[in-house]
Amino acid sequence: KAGVTQTPRYLIKTRGQQVTLSCSPISGHRSVSWYQQTPGQGLQFLFEYFSETQRNKGNFPGRFSGRQFSNSRSEMNVSTLELGDSALYLCASSLADWGEKLFFGSGTQLSVL
Amino acid sequence: GESVGLHLPTLSVQEGDNSIINCAYSNSASDYFIWYKQESGKGPQFIIDIRSNMDKRQGQRVTVLLNKTVKHLSLQIAATQPGDSAVYFCADRGGAQKLVFGQGTRLTINP
Repeated sequence: KAGVTQTPRYLIKTRGQQVTLSCSPISGHRSVSWYQQTPGQGLQFLFEYFSETQRNKGNFPGRFSGRQFSNSRSEMNVSTLELGDSALYLCASSLADWGEKLFFGSGTQLSVL
Repeated sequence: GESVGLHLPTLSVQEGDNSIINCAYSNSASDYFIWYKQESGKGPQFIIDIRSNMDKRQGQRVTVLLNKTVKHLSLQIAATQPGDSAVYFCADRGGAQKLVFGQGTRLTINP
């Protein structure tokens, strides 16, 4: 069974631009969560989707948004990029409900210049 | 508040020895705990999980211990191998139904 797939693997953007990251969960997994990982803050929860509905949201500004499609694939979008948005963005899928046993992809490394 | 922390940011052990990685959590309402291993350039990889109604769970070469009285979690790795070198994260699920991660412990294996 294929794992969680995230595209692209690397991105370089400039301040003020917007970016869309994509995530394909493990087949059969309906829950998709997004995390931001930085050396200083560690893994920070962004949001979680289940059956196309956002069930949970972390403490990030409204510039960070996401959605989930009927096939469980998910995208997250960051608008008006800031230098501090440079991070590894990780997507995780789960067969279980509510934040259990997440399986992570390899992430998208975003650099904002 | 919601926070999960690890006692040591780095840990160095000899190959073949047992490793113990510790984690303290603050949310007494947390009902689920999980350990991940993250190698360079990869996403976190599931190791083992445990629910709050248990105090010990064993996997292949790994054991997780949960002490709810002092809000402490530990991961024991038996007979540590070079491939165990990585950053290890603990996480807990509190009332907000999301996993909150600690800062991680970097495990280095000495030959």
